[in-house]
Amino acid sequence: DAGVIQSPRHEVTEMGQEVTLRCKPISGHNSLFWYRQTMMRGLELLIYFNNNVPIDDSGMPEDRFSAKMPNASFSTLKIQPSEPRDSAVYFCASSLGTGGAGANEKLFFGSGTQLSVL
Amino acid sequence: DQQVKQNSPSLSVQEGRISILNCDYTNSMFDYFLWYKKYPAEGPTFLISISSIKDKNEDGRFTVFLNKSAKHLSLHIVPSQPGDSAVYFCAASAGTDKLIFGTGTRLQVFP
Repeated sequence: DAGVIQSPRHEVTEMGQEVTLRCKPISGHNSLFWYRQTMMRGLELLIYFNNNVPIDDSGMPEDRFSAKMPNASFSTLKIQPSEPRDSAVYFCASSLGTGGAGANEKLFFGSGTQLSVL
Repeated sequence: DQQVKQNSPSLSVQEGRISILNCDYTNSMFDYFLWYKKYPAEGPTFLISISSIKDKNEDGRFTVFLNKSAKHLSLHIVPSQPGDSAVYFCAASAGTDKLIFGTGTRLQVFP
């Protein structure tokens, strides 16, 4: 299996521009998660989907962030407009179960997108 | 407010010695704990986990200890190898609630 695939690996953009991050989960996995990694806060869960349905988006920092999962094999995280404080590594992860992001839900992460907003 | 804290941002250990990575938590409802390992330019990968009904779980060179009264867990790596050099994230959950990750500890194992 190819694992979770994220694109692009690196994104450099200017403040105010729209940014779209993409993710292809592992085939057959039922849950998909978007995380953001920063030095100060570690790995933060932004949003997760079960069977393509958003379940918990309480981690999305503000209305500038949105995520979609139009089908079982694709998800996007969009930031519009982007700001310098959005600079971070964004990870997508998937898991087999549908019971939330907790116990026994071993997560499989992609390699991440390094976002720099100038 | 950080519910899962890894107070040591970095740790340096000689090859062959024991590495001890620490993690503290504040939420007494947490009942499942995990460690993830992350190499540069890669995503985190699952390493080892422990349920709150246990106080120790071992997998090869890796052992996780849980002290519920102190709300503390630790990861022991014995013996440490250069390939263990990575960032280690502690994570916890309460039931099926979302995983809460710590900020990570960078381990460097030198020859």
